Amino acid sequence: GENVEQHPSTLSVQEGDSAVIKCTYSDSASNYFPWYKQELGKRPQLIIDIRSNVGEKKDQRIAVTLNKTAKHFSLHITETQPEDSAVYFCAASGRDDKIIFGKGTRLHILP
Amino acid sequence: GAVVSQHPSWVICKSGTSVKIECRSLDFQATTMFWYRQFPKQSLMLMATSNEGSKATYEQGVEKDKFLINHASLTLSTLTVTSAHPEDSSFYICSARAGRSRSPLHFGNGTRLTVT
Repeated sequence: GENVEQHPSTLSVQEGDSAVIKCTYSDSASNYFPWYKQELGKRPQLIIDIRSNVGEKKDQRIAVTLNKTAKHFSLHITETQPEDSAVYFCAASGRDDKIIFGKGTRLHILP
Repeated sequence: GAVVSQHPSWVICKSGTSVKIECRSLDFQATTMFWYRQFPKQSLMLMATSNEGSKATYEQGVEKDKFLINHASLTLSTLTVTSAHPEDSSFYICSARAGRSRSPLHFGNGTRLTVT
């Protein structure tokens, strides 16, 4: 089955700087890659997703890139703000339609 | 749109008792729902895939007789933790897709289960 690796587990960046979170997946048949943000005690919320027929997608300060050949995808957050502090999960979905999550990255935005 | 409601949001039960958690898709039909378990500061671990009108598909290592899943309608899936033990204490979250594959999962609010 699919296996998703996510790095780093913890990331601290100065407010206003950029944050990058990287993930790799194992199943070459995976074709859908969502990113979720989870604040303490709350449900995960979708922030952006990308499908395998696209290499990059951007939504305001958030962008995601996908390299199918290397089987890795990344989340980029620019001009970080205090409200960006949360846990971010990457995920991959493939032939069996399940969505498998990475272990998460705890992002701290420093004032 | 695409709201998933989960109840209860928290529950405390004694060892040996059973607890039922409900997951409803409020404004869409979900032929498939997914149940995840999340330990503190850890990731979302897929437990099982709930299929409307048929048996659930469990992930490796998840006891199907302990975690009973019923998906009786296109808008309701239930997870029953049977004969609960303290090690079953966790955060359980259901999710569903409003569309076909390659579409986002929408999550319920989760249920924090504490077994004493």
